[in-house]
Amino acid sequence: QKEVEQDPGPLSVPEGAIVSLNCTYSNSAFQYFMWYRQYSRKGPELLMYTYSSGNKEDGRFTAQVDKSSKYISLFIRDSQPSDSATYLCASRDDKIIFGKGTRLHILP
Amino acid sequence: DVKVTQSSRYLVKRTGEKVFLECVQDMDHENMFWYRQDPGLGLRLIYFSYDVKMKEKGDIPEGYSVSREKKERFSLILESASTNQTSMYLCASTEGGDSYEQYFGPGTRLTVT
Repeated sequence: QKEVEQDPGPLSVPEGAIVSLNCTYSNSAFQYFMWYRQYSRKGPELLMYTYSSGNKEDGRFTAQVDKSSKYISLFIRDSQPSDSATYLCASRDDKIIFGKGTRLHILP
Repeated sequence: DVKVTQSSRYLVKRTGEKVFLECVQDMDHENMFWYRQDPGLGLRLIYFSYDVKMKEKGDIPEGYSVSREKKERFSLILESASTNQTSMYLCASTEGGDSYEQYFGPGTRLTVT
């Protein structure tokens, strides 16, 4: 079983909708949880990170970790066409482990 | 701004050729990584390095080797390219220790014919 699991999508939502992206992980020792965003023909970039359980908000983006269920979520409010990208969740033990990524399309 | 640069954006090579992919980072980062990214398979770690002249195998090292002679430069070598090595190759670096942020280059799209 891969340590970080993520639905590959694609996920298509209309502009302005709330987007929910989710991952599960298997290693209860994970403490850092990250979301990377990758635009087409570019390398991934760190979008947000959280440490342990709880929520973290940055503008329209909220990252949420539930360690009891080993569930990682990213919420995007008021989604924009410029949010169209692949979103990769990640965590780390001795190195960073990435999910396979979810392709998101925001429809104008 | 951290910058990770890769020598080529697109590369076409023939089966059996020796291929060099170069990566340079300008932030004095300790750790450097090579991944390949394929549809449906995500990012897969090929090799990484925690220091000059050090290298560690990742999850899929077969058919690849690496070289790190200087701290800022990490090279990926395909000794004898094969068609199943057609992929997007991404280089990344981190500051070191328990860093959770990897800085990626723009990628090299390699096609082996």
